[in-house]
Amino acid sequence: DGGITQSPKYLFRKEGQNVTLSCEQNLNHDAMYWYRQDPGQGLRLIYYSQIVNDFQKGDIAEGYSVSREKKESFPLTVTSAQKNPTAFYLCASSITSGRTNEQFFGPGTRLTVL
Amino acid sequence: GEDVEQSLFLSVREGDSSVINCTYTDSSSTYLYWYKQEPGAGLQLLTYIFSNMDMKQDQRLTVLLNKKDKHLSLRIADTQTGDSAIYFCAEPPPGRRALTFGSGTRLQVQP
Repeated sequence: DGGITQSPKYLFRKEGQNVTLSCEQNLNHDAMYWYRQDPGQGLRLIYYSQIVNDFQKGDIAEGYSVSREKKESFPLTVTSAQKNPTAFYLCASSITSGRTNEQFFGPGTRLTVL
Repeated sequence: GEDVEQSLFLSVREGDSSVINCTYTDSSSTYLYWYKQEPGAGLQLLTYIFSNMDMKQDQRLTVLLNKKDKHLSLRIADTQTGDSAIYFCAEPPPGRRALTFGSGTRLQVQP
């Protein structure tokens, strides 16, 4: 089955710790994205990557880092510099050709800072 | 940044029609999207409409686009309890291949 997987589903972190969220896709998509969702709010773009070994900051990149060493994988690290990291994190992917920006989403990771 | 606006909540009775509204910002947007999110899950693409269309129908879903007013709506006919979810409209921001999402409309369907 083609799709996007995120792990873990739930993650707990102590203040001051870095934590890495996994995102893998087997859709052969070139572009991948990370969004953050807070209660009652829409999704906000953290980082995106349109090709391997390249990525760009989104609207709320401070306190986060990413890498794109493989087409299938786009891990997100939430660093201790992120002041309010408790949120629901969603990964997505899309093709880069054509006019549509249709994005396919993973099931999400809920991060809670204790 | 861009602001895509939606009303926060809509309650309907099972069998009625639901209309979820959205105001977008970029008149040059080529495609506009509707996504559905069930509790604790990711987003599922429901439908999208190309900006040169006024209407698109897909089974129980009808999308209406008013480009002059930058207004997008999603009508769900014969709403079922399984339609209870948060619905997001989204548009591509100028210059990049991400999406800008509205804050979402929570649809509650009462039996």
